[in-house]
Amino acid sequence: AQSVTQLDSQVPVFEEAPVELRCNYSSSVSVYLFWYVQYPNQGLQLLLKYLSGSTLVKGINGFEAEFNKSQTSFHLRKPSVHISDTAEYFCAVSGRAAGNKLTFGGGTRVLVKP
Amino acid sequence: DAGVIQSPRHEVTEMGQEVTLRCKPISGHNSLFWYRQTMMRGLELLIYFNNNVPIDDSGMPEDRFSAKMPNASFSTLKIQPSEPRDSAVYFCASSPDLGGADTQYFGPGTRLTVL
Repeated sequence: AQSVTQLDSQVPVFEEAPVELRCNYSSSVSVYLFWYVQYPNQGLQLLLKYLSGSTLVKGINGFEAEFNKSQTSFHLRKPSVHISDTAEYFCAVSGRAAGNKLTFGGGTRVLVKP
Repeated sequence: DAGVIQSPRHEVTEMGQEVTLRCKPISGHNSLFWYRQTMMRGLELLIYFNNNVPIDDSGMPEDRFSAKMPNASFSTLKIQPSEPRDSAVYFCASSPDLGGADTQYFGPGTRLTVL
């Protein structure tokens, strides 16, 4: 079984400031890791995912995340946020065996202030 | 590609009525997922299909909920009878297959309000 913990439910941040969203997971098997974003009144869309290889993953809209196996973390960062980054961000984990489903964290709501 | 299509986008109904939510996955995708999102419980996986066959329905809350996928391009989620606690946003998602690395593509959701 897998679980995902997003440590911050809400993160207020000023425009052009950096932001980091924390995600920790637990799993008894090797995993794939994902970050999805949900803009207001929309469905979720993929920001980035870690499958293998380099632990630093770059995604859309200037976001990146770093996989840390020893700390079982997959934190999301952006060096300079825009008003349009206001959204809810979900970390998710999937087991590597075929047929595994995504387990989502509780989400972090990011509010970018001018 | 039009992406995942869900209908209706909003549904308001009265307690006891039957509700049917519809989903058209992305063409060529073999897997389809139904989720429910509420403030209290977050994002919950209800059921998922692969090649039109239900694989895991352990997330379906109770017998009032049922889902079907009669063909590769259409799925329904039915609630009968509906109750106020069913009020939520219901998302459908599809993915190329059931591999753990596959990205899930979400529809815009159906906002259900049961009075």
